Amino acid sequence: GAVVSQHPSRVICKSGTSVKIECRSLDFQATTMFWYRQFPKQSLMLMATSNEGSKATYEQGVEKDKFLINHASLTLSTLTVTSAHPEDSSFYICSASLAGRSYEQYFGPGTRLTVT
Amino acid sequence: GQSLEQPSEVTAVEGAIVQINCTYQTSGFYGLSWYQQHDGGAPTFLSYNGLDGLEETGRFSSFLSRSDSYGYLLLQELQMKDSASYFCAVSTNAGKSTFGDGTTLTVKP
Repeated sequence: GAVVSQHPSRVICKSGTSVKIECRSLDFQATTMFWYRQFPKQSLMLMATSNEGSKATYEQGVEKDKFLINHASLTLSTLTVTSAHPEDSSFYICSASLAGRSYEQYFGPGTRLTVT
Repeated sequence: GQSLEQPSEVTAVEGAIVQINCTYQTSGFYGLSWYQQHDGGAPTFLSYNGLDGLEETGRFSSFLSRSDSYGYLLLQELQMKDSASYFCAVSTNAGKSTFGDGTTLTVKP
């Protein structure tokens, strides 16, 4: 159980375009989803917390107009990187947890974004 | 804010026991979790300590001392497949987690 999928696994886009990443919990209803960014050999940096049916809560320094998050259902959250630039190139990972159990997160396989 | 410290690298041989320590400073502490991440893969949840003491899950155990703001992950009977990065993460009553920088474990034959 506790399977989270993420799509696409890899994406290359041109500078100035937008990219949408989907995160789905396949076998449980995730009231909370988290979006992280990870640079090579580094830790996971929390970007935002996404609760179903409400606006996402962004971490300090994360531009909410650039990284649009939508959590439309208990099984789907999307992250859209708008007007992407090369510095947005990174590994983006989502995770999902049950209500009140943020200490036990189940991660998607991640999306490698390369902006050229 | 939150801060966590864990060693950057640990090396051990197959069959051995290794302990990865984690100290933290945080407000609104709820519990300490551990995750494993293989190169190129996603983190996987290993264990959680909300109360002081030892939690055992097969070859892996995790310990927490809230008064010392300290915890550790103990891996026994090491196998080559245990080579990975291990992250401690503090969860807070704000409903989110902050991850440490990770410890790269290398298991040698």
